[in-house]
Amino acid sequence: DIQMTQSPSSLSASVGDRVTITCRASQDIANYLAWFQQKPGKAPKSLIYAASSLQSGVPSKFSGSGSGTDFTLTISSLQPEDFATYYCQQYKNYPYTFGQGTKLEIK
Amino acid sequence: DVQLVESGGGLVKPGGSLRLSCAASGFTFSSDTMNWVRQAPGKGLEWVSSISSSSYYIYYADSVKGRFTISRDNAKNSLHLQMNSLRAEDTAVYYCARFAVGRSIDYWGQGTLVTVSS
Repeated sequence: DIQMTQSPSSLSASVGDRVTITCRASQDIANYLAWFQQKPGKAPKSLIYAASSLQSGVPSKFSGSGSGTDFTLTISSLQPEDFATYYCQQYKNYPYTFGQGTKLEIK
Repeated sequence: DVQLVESGGGLVKPGGSLRLSCAASGFTFSSDTMNWVRQAPGKGLEWVSSISSSSYYIYYADSVKGRFTISRDNAKNSLHLQMNSLRAEDTAVYYCARFAVGRSIDYWGQGTLVTVSS
């Protein structure tokens, strides 16, 4: 199975900051990488697919990059509604696997 | 608008069974792969199972293989997950999620809670 490792596990930032979350795959997954946002008690929301393409309706403050084994999610100009937990997921091979999550908290 | 509405969760004893359903609307259900993803209390997301549009391809996580069965009814726009031999570690919120061709998982249901406890 492909292991997905996110770093950091938690991150404190201020409103207006720009933050970057990293996701590393245990083997080459090309660009079969998605990012999700989840707020407490809510279903996940899809943000990015194919490593860098925004899902419909997702603001351009979210951006993704990378290919192969190393990927990043960058969120610019943080707003209160952006504080949440973020997950990456590979969909190159079954079983699809998620990273352990990165909790973004307000400083 | 795409809508996915799960139902069927509840409290069940270890070793028991439960059948989850997901009612889909707002898109051509028969064209898309569907998934179940779960989240144990306080934990991260875990992919459970996928079924292709025609039901030809079906995949399971090792943790549920042999106990869970995914199925779909394209005529009724519904997705199901039959869960047998349930264990305490199956306790989780179960989400139905659409995997659109070329776009990965793009829509999620609100989830249904399954609690396995004596």
